[in-house]
Amino acid sequence: DAGITQSPRYKITETGRQVTLMCHQTWSHSYMFWYRQDLGHGLRLIYYSAAADITDKGEVPDGYVVSRSKTENFPLTLESATRSQTSVYFCASRNRDSNQPQHFGDGTRLSIL
Amino acid sequence: QQQVKQSPQSLIVQKGGISIINCAYENTAFDYFPWYQQFPGKGPALLIAIRPDVSEKKEGRFTISFNKSAKQFSLHIMDSQPGDSATYFCAAFSGGYQKVTFGIGTKLQVIP
Repeated sequence: DAGITQSPRYKITETGRQVTLMCHQTWSHSYMFWYRQDLGHGLRLIYYSAAADITDKGEVPDGYVVSRSKTENFPLTLESATRSQTSVYFCASRNRDSNQPQHFGDGTRLSIL
Repeated sequence: QQQVKQSPQSLIVQKGGISIINCAYENTAFDYFPWYQQFPGKGPALLIAIRPDVSEKKEGRFTISFNKSAKQFSLHIMDSQPGDSATYFCAAFSGGYQKVTFGIGTKLQVIP
């Protein structure tokens, strides 16, 4: 089915570990985004990508790494997880047409112990 | 620095009542203002959106009112239903729709 899927849906890990969150979309959308959602902060943009091999920082990029070797995939890596990165992470995508909204995945709930 | 201020953070409304959520922004470069609806365990989904050249937009029971001079916009949900219980986020876009700022969200509960 067409859409945007995130995996895993839930993840528990320990501080200092590397963890990668996956995002896959089947629409061939040009733009993809990673957000984190925290109580009292709403949604904050971590990184975004305008096309394959083009990425840019958002509001809260520190501690995160992204790559986009293929249009449909946009993985987010926490190289050395910290407790402050415990959050719900959402991936989104949209077409290049500026009139189109962002489509969000259902999120990954990440807990760092 | 919160560029979009949303209030209230939580709201309880009786079935059939009107739910009103307000947002205020500071950056005059914002040029697209959507509202998103989010149910538990799901990602936000676009509900309704407005551009600053329009003062009001209505879609079914949902209406956005926009006041450009005051830099404020609000979501009105008429005849609120228990199925409307969700978290609502306002947002503001600029820079060719790549840069977006979200409000902190409003958790709406509609009670029977």
